[in-house]
Amino acid sequence: GEDVEQSLFLSVREGDSSVINCTYTDSSSTYLYWYKQEPGAGLQLLTYIFSNMDMKQDQRLTVLLNKKDKHLSLRIADTQTGDSAIYFCAQTSGGYNKLIFGAGTRLAVHP
Amino acid sequence: NAGVTQTPKFQVLKTGQSMTLQCAQDMNHNSMYWYRQDPGMGLRLIYYSASEGTTDKGEVPNGYNVSRLNKREFSLRLESAAPSQTSVYFCASSEFQGSSYEQYFGPGTRLTVT
Repeated sequence: GEDVEQSLFLSVREGDSSVINCTYTDSSSTYLYWYKQEPGAGLQLLTYIFSNMDMKQDQRLTVLLNKKDKHLSLRIADTQTGDSAIYFCAQTSGGYNKLIFGAGTRLAVHP
Repeated sequence: NAGVTQTPKFQVLKTGQSMTLQCAQDMNHNSMYWYRQDPGMGLRLIYYSASEGTTDKGEVPNGYNVSRLNKREFSLRLESAAPSQTSVYFCASSEFQGSSYEQYFGPGTRLTVT
């Protein structure tokens, strides 16, 4: 079945770049998403990429998509303590308005 | 706009008790969803409603029922709660926004079943 996998934990120093990786199984996914969850809160959309794109940049965020390997990554430049959160990768499933989420990567930023 | 609201924020139930989790959105979205979040497992879809008057099962529907009361409201009912239903429950809504279906999430309901 459809599945999305992520590593569970990443620790980076403040000011460094963070790279969060994700692999997915459904090659027919039209959109792939990155959501951010801060402690005690719901998820908020960070960015998304359409499946016919290789890269998307949005300020400090860069999304790379390798369709051949079904690999998605999120790079956060100049990581700040406010970036500490759980980051979820998600793919569309069975239609544009259903999503399959990965387990989430907890990003810890230390001074 | 309040976005997506959920009540209650916290709830403790005994095994076998029933309860309804409420969700409302004020963004005029057609689609609404219920997810549960468990440690290390991400979000799993319980039920969704593509539009008013329709509901469909998601990945983990057993033990739950839903009602799409109107376009704004989508409730989730646990008829006989079990400890395995201890989780954080999120409601979300979405609409095609020109280039993607962004889902907007509520703040969650933290449910403990003892």
